[in-house]
Amino acid sequence: EPEVTQTPSHQVTQMGQEVILRCVPISNHLYFYWYRQILGQKVEFLVSFYNNEISEKSEIFDDQFSVERPDGSNFTLKIRSTKLEDSAMYFCASEGYNEQFFGPGTRLTVL
Amino acid sequence: KQEVTQIPAALSVPEGENLVLNCSFTDSAIYNLQWFRQDPGKGLTSLLLIQSSQREQTSGRLNASLDKSSGRSTLYIAASQPGDSATYLCAVNSYSGGYQKVTFGTGTKLQVIP
Repeated sequence: EPEVTQTPSHQVTQMGQEVILRCVPISNHLYFYWYRQILGQKVEFLVSFYNNEISEKSEIFDDQFSVERPDGSNFTLKIRSTKLEDSAMYFCASEGYNEQFFGPGTRLTVL
Repeated sequence: KQEVTQIPAALSVPEGENLVLNCSFTDSAIYNLQWFRQDPGKGLTSLLLIQSSQREQTSGRLNASLDKSSGRSTLYIAASQPGDSATYLCAVNSYSGGYQKVTFGTGTKLQVIP
C-alpha cells in the first residue's frame, strides 16, 4: 500500500541554522501539506501546496519558512534560521480522493 | 474558521469497559472526519475515516459516528484493553478557499487500567 515517507526521522540543529525536512508524497497525489505539533500541543496546519505554488498558509508560516517541490517526487519544508520555538514534530501529508495521508513525522530539536 | 473540540481531555477506565470519545466542530461544511491514534512521541495512526455522506464507520472494536448537521462525532471503543492507551485525535477535513484543510482537535488522552 503506498504511503507518505519523511526523512530524517529526527533532526537536531543549533539555533540559527537552516534545516530542510523532506517528504515523499504518494505518487499520484497533487495536493501536499505540512503540519507541526509542538510537544504537548495540538497538530497545527502550516501550509498547503498545489501546482507548484502555495495555496494557503497559516499565520505560523512566516518568512522563515518555505516549501518546494524540487523534483517529481520530493516535497520539502525549509526553515531558514531556526529558533528554539521551532522544536516540534513536523508532519507531511498528501491528498487523494478527499483524504489526506500523513507521513510518520520528523522530530526537529533546536538547541 | 473551523474549530474542533474534544471532550474529555483525559479519561481513565478499567480494562474491559466500553467508552465514548467526543468531538465537536463548528463548521458543518466538511469533506470528511478522521480519527487518529497517537502514542507518546510518535506519529499519527489513522483509525477511521468517515466521509461527509456517511453516518458511521466500523473497524474491529472501534465505531465512529458522524452527525454533520449538529457538528458532532463520537468514537466508541468496545471492551477496552491496556494497549488502547494513547491519545485519540479527531481531525476535520473542510473546505478552505478552494482547497482542503485539516483541523485537529486537542485530543483525548486515554488510559486503560489492567
